[in-house]
Order: sequence, then structure tokens, then C-alpha cells
Amino acid sequence: ETGVTQSPTHLIKTRGQQVTLRCSSQSGHNTVSWYQQALGQGPQFIFQYYREEENGRGNFPPRFSGLQFPNYSSELNVNALELDDSALYLCASSLAGLHGYTFGSGTRLTVV
Amino acid sequence: QQQVKQSPQSLIVQKGGISIINCAYENTAFDYFPWYQQFPGKGPALLIAIRPDVSEKKEGRFTISFNKSAKQFSLHIMDSQPGDSATYFCAASYTSGTYKYIFGTGTRLKVLA
Repeated sequence: ETGVTQSPTHLIKTRGQQVTLRCSSQSGHNTVSWYQQALGQGPQFIFQYYREEENGRGNFPPRFSGLQFPNYSSELNVNALELDDSALYLCASSLAGLHGYTFGSGTRLTVV
Repeated sequence: QQQVKQSPQSLIVQKGGISIINCAYENTAFDYFPWYQQFPGKGPALLIAIRPDVSEKKEGRFTISFNKSAKQFSLHIMDSQPGDSATYFCAASYTSGTYKYIFGTGTRLKVLA
């Protein structure tokens, strides 16, 4: 059984650029959630994808968007990057209707 | 009402001691309370979780105590070991909808050898 895999592990982008982060969910899981973890803070819910559609969204602007693919993998896209977007982005997979996230190790995004 | 308040921010414990981390919530609709452990460079990993119909749950050296009337819950780590040194997050969630988690701000635990 494979866990959650995220890529890349680290990324440096310039303010105003766009970024795409990728996540492969754990085998058997059909739901993917994305969280933003700022330095020294707890993870904050960005959105969740189920059946290739957004299934809920936290308090993040529309420039944060995502996709889920038929194999349940997912992408997080962030447009018009701002300095405050610098954070660890965590992908978590789960089975719809059940508690229990499996988190990936995250992508550390630095915006300069 | 969506916040989960966690304390202390950091904690230093001697090997073999008891580590205690506290969390408080406002929204009584929350019905699932997990604790996550996070090592540097890794994602959070589920440690133990409790539902509000239970006042205590124990798994090995880890115990959650839950006080529904006070809207508080705590993690106790018995016989703390240097390998327990990590950041611990409490969270609260609903058993419906997205099942999204509201995380506390974390407690950085250091266990001295």
C-alpha cells in the first residue's frame, strides 16, 4: 500500500508567477484535500476534491484552484503568487464518508 | 466559532515524564477530535482520535481526555521518550460534508534524554 506522494518537495517562485503542485493519493482513497501550513501554524483547509469536482472550500481566494483526475491524483494551482503564499502545502487523501486523512510530506513553496 | 485553541506553544519534558497538551473549542457541532504528530520535513500523522460520547481513550502511551461540558480535550503522553520530540496538533471536525479539519496552532514538544 503506497502512501501520499507530493511533488515537488521544494519550490521557489517569484511574486506574480503561477505554480502547480501535484499529489498522488494513497491506494484505495478517493478524496483529496489540500491544506496550507504557514510557518509555526497549524494546517488550514484550502479545498477538497471528490469525483473530480470541488467538494468544499476554505477561506482562500479564487486564485487557488485545483483538479482531481480519474486516478484520484490531484493538482493545486495558485495564480498571481503573493509573498504570503509562502508555506508548506499538504495534500491529504481519504475515503469519502470516513475520517482519517493520510497526509503527504508536503511541498515547501517560497515566494520571493 | 471555528477556532481550536491549543496550549502550550512549546513544552520541554524530561525523559520518562508526562507531557500534557490542551485544546479548547467553541463549536458544539464538532464530533470528531484527532491528534496529529508531525516531525520536521514530514506531513502530520494521525496519533489518536476521540468522539464526544467518550471521556477518555488510551492507545499505548497516548491518552486523550475529553471534557464535553468544558469543550476541552487534552493529550497525555506517558513515559515520554526523546523519539516523541515533534510538533503535536489537535483538530476538530464534523462527521458530515467535507470532514474538513480545523487544526490548533501546534505544540512543539522536546523530550530531554
